[in-house]
Amino acid sequence: QLQLQESGPGLVKPSETLSLTCTVSGGSISSSPYYWGWIRQPPGKGLEWIGSIYNSGRTYYSPFLKSRVSIFVDTSKNQFSLNLRFVTAADTAVYYCARHGPEGVVAGWLDPWGQGTLVTVSS
Amino acid sequence: QSVLTQPPSVSGAPGQRVTISCTGSSSNIGATYDVHWFQQVPGTAPKLLIYGSINRPSGVPDRFSGSKSGTSASLAITGLQAEDEADYYCQSYDISLSAVVFGGGTKLTVL
Repeated sequence: QLQLQESGPGLVKPSETLSLTCTVSGGSISSSPYYWGWIRQPPGKGLEWIGSIYNSGRTYYSPFLKSRVSIFVDTSKNQFSLNLRFVTAADTAVYYCARHGPEGVVAGWLDPWGQGTLVTVSS
Repeated sequence: QSVLTQPPSVSGAPGQRVTISCTGSSSNIGATYDVHWFQQVPGTAPKLLIYGSINRPSGVPDRFSGSKSGTSASLAITGLQAEDEADYYCQSYDISLSAVVFGGGTKLTVL
């Protein structure tokens, strides 16, 4: 059964870079022709897509975050990662990673999801 | 403001039927992109409820059904149960933005 788990610092200072990693178990990123995505949810608010990456490294980013976001994949570790630069308090959120379905379709559904990790931006 | 529009809240009594709408435009739902639905109990990750506009993953009760027409989609829940109380989100893709888009979410209250 495919499982995803987010990891990274829970507290980031304003203007610094938020870095998170999603570790995939129960399946191989390199041999799976799927897109892998990052989604966030500010406290008490709705879901916001950040971006997604294919196992080849092709990326799609939210046009609203594109200037600050990088997503990359490390197939040797079966992980994909998120960097969000120049963070402010508005970037405080629960960050989720998830896999898109079906194969090769970024427009597809998101399932499964990781449990999420809260990142707070504060000095 | 979300690209996909959902009502902020809906409610119903146990056993009743409720529907949640998801309204988009010609650049997303109307461009024939599928709509997917998620259920989120506060404090937990979203759970896929409907994919491909009308399909239920295994394990999801047939009380949940999805439909799509034109630039809108709907999630219907029949035989409402207390455990259905949660937030519900729709998701699609917008070709103009080249982005995955979500609705703002709908809070379902079981009276």
